[in-house]
Amino acid sequence: EDQVTQSPEALRLQEGESSSLNCSYTVSGLRGLFWYRQDPGKGPEFLFTLYSAGEEKEKERLKATLTKKESFLHITAPKPEDSATYLCAVVSGGYNKLIFGAGTRLAVHP
Amino acid sequence: KAGVTQTPRYLIKTRGQQVTLSCSPISGHRSVSWYQQTPGQGLQFLFEYFSETQRNKGNFPGRFSGRQFSNSRSEMNVSTLELGDSALYLCASSFRQAADTQYFGPGTRLTVL
Repeated sequence: EDQVTQSPEALRLQEGESSSLNCSYTVSGLRGLFWYRQDPGKGPEFLFTLYSAGEEKEKERLKATLTKKESFLHITAPKPEDSATYLCAVVSGGYNKLIFGAGTRLAVHP
Repeated sequence: KAGVTQTPRYLIKTRGQQVTLSCSPISGHRSVSWYQQTPGQGLQFLFEYFSETQRNKGNFPGRFSGRQFSNSRSEMNVSTLELGDSALYLCASSFRQAADTQYFGPGTRLTVL
């Protein structure tokens, strides 16, 4: 059965303290891996799509990487406005649906 | 380009009632998916529509149904509401298939009393 596991569940950082969030997956044929950011009470906001191992994408303080078993979301010198829940999702095989992990709640304190 | 819109944003219903939620996808997007988000279960896939046809369905009871119109707008319906149906219902659109990037709307917060 396809599965996505994110760690840690929650992460508290000081402003400027870089860190990484992990997304490990077990799927039958990865068609795409997606990172979203979600603020409380709002819909997920798209960040990155990765399709093959070795691929990397960057946007401002965020960088996403992909291997055959996991993806990392690296946050460099975070700011308080980066506080949110970060969601990882995959599309696998012949299924036209996103399978989400439980998310990582990130809190960045000044 | 306008994003995905969902109406209404908030709903309060009582057990046994039914509800219809609406979603307008990004212009040019033909695939619309629906998800339920709860604190306990996270984001779970309900169903996906493409060209007015349901292409994929999640593990939800038959009380949950949907449809898509020729302009790609979609509605989902929940009949005989239960307390456990209280959730944030999210609609996402993509160009053609789920492996294309899906963009989410703001969601409809449904509370069942």
